[in-house]
Amino acid sequence: TAGITQAPTSQILAAGRSMTLRCTQDMRHNAMYWYRQDLGLGLRLIHYSNTAGTTGKGEVPDGYSVSRANTDDFPLTLASAVPSQTSVYFCASSDSESGEQFFGPGTRLTVL
Amino acid sequence: GQNIDQPTEMTATEGAIVQINCTYQTSGFNGLFWYQQHAGEAPTFLSYNVLDGLEEKGRFSSFLSRSKGYSYLLLKELQMKDSASYLCAVPDSNYQLIWGAGTKLIIKP
Repeated sequence: TAGITQAPTSQILAAGRSMTLRCTQDMRHNAMYWYRQDLGLGLRLIHYSNTAGTTGKGEVPDGYSVSRANTDDFPLTLASAVPSQTSVYFCASSDSESGEQFFGPGTRLTVL
Repeated sequence: GQNIDQPTEMTATEGAIVQINCTYQTSGFNGLFWYQQHAGEAPTFLSYNVLDGLEEKGRFSSFLSRSKGYSYLLLKELQMKDSASYLCAVPDSNYQLIWGAGTKLIIKP
């Protein structure tokens, strides 16, 4: 099985442009998460979804939005990118709120 | 609030043993996770402790003391492929993981 896939692998984006990072899982996990990882900092939760149709804000949600129309997909949208959103973005999923999380390969985003 | 502390970097020798510590402060406790992350890759699950004591899994063991807010990851018979960052994480009251910044482990031959 593929597990979790993310697209694109990397992207260079002009400031002010919008972009959607895609995340798809085939494990039928209920919970999904978006993190950003910056050098010297731990993974920081942007948004999460405990089940299809629901979403919640994490530690650093400003400038990002998500949707969870079905179990498998959890896209992250940057409406108007800023340079501080340059980061590596990881999508993850788990079969329960308290379970082990499985991570996608990440998207490296550079905003210029 | 929540807080997790880990050493930033450690160096060890191939074949040796290394202990990576993690201290945490949480309003409640719902377990503690350890993940491994190789450079440029995604984190992968290593262990989960919810009760005090040592849990062994091959060359890796994880210890938890809830009263002390302390955990460690013990890596034995170190191999070059163990060079990676090791991340400690604890769930908050909403079961969302709070992550430490990670400990970069460098293995020297």
